[in-house]
Amino acid sequence: GAVVSQHPSWVICKSGTSVKIECRSLDFQATTMFWYRQFPKQSLMLMATSNEGSKATYEQGVEKDKFLINHASLTLSTLTVTSAHPEDSSFYICSAPKPGSNNYGYTFGSGTRLTVV
Amino acid sequence: ILNVEQSPQSLHVQEGDSTNFTCSFPSSNFYALHWYRWETAKSPEALFVMTLNGDEKKKGRISATLNTKEGYSYLYIKGSQPEDSATYLCAFINNSGYALNFGKGTSLLVTP
Repeated sequence: GAVVSQHPSWVICKSGTSVKIECRSLDFQATTMFWYRQFPKQSLMLMATSNEGSKATYEQGVEKDKFLINHASLTLSTLTVTSAHPEDSSFYICSAPKPGSNNYGYTFGSGTRLTVV
Repeated sequence: ILNVEQSPQSLHVQEGDSTNFTCSFPSSNFYALHWYRWETAKSPEALFVMTLNGDEKKKGRISATLNTKEGYSYLYIKGSQPEDSATYLCAFINNSGYALNFGKGTSLLVTP
């Protein structure tokens, strides 16, 4: 149980275009979704936290106008990388708290490898 | 940003060997320490969530210990098998937040 489906698993786009990444909670309602990215040989770093029905909270140094997060329903959160540039090439992954977890148990999507050319 | 360090960065062992990795984290404001097993192209799989100093948890051949006073956790794998090959991540949560602060992971390769 508590499965998060993330799509696409990889995407190549041209510089200047926008890319949307989706994370769906398949068998539970996710009121909160965390978005992480990982650059090569680095750790997963939190970018932003989306909450259903309200504005996302962005971590310091993450441009909210560039990384648009939408959490319009309890089962879908999206991250749109706008006007992508090669430096946005990275691995993006979402995560949601498992329902009923008191110790902050989390479930993850399988990630999206973005390459901007 | 909370500094979480994992060592070694990578490890190559033979089938049947036992091995262990280290995760160090800030000892102040501790809330929880997570271990994940992550295979390429798959979702990270939760192994342990540890909250109490002195915790020891076990799942099959894998076990973990926690020392919150000195800020470290060990993950042990007994009798490694090729299917144990993966990246093992630890992540720390402190009292003031809910987000996971990850280490860079330990990449384990077990060869027959």
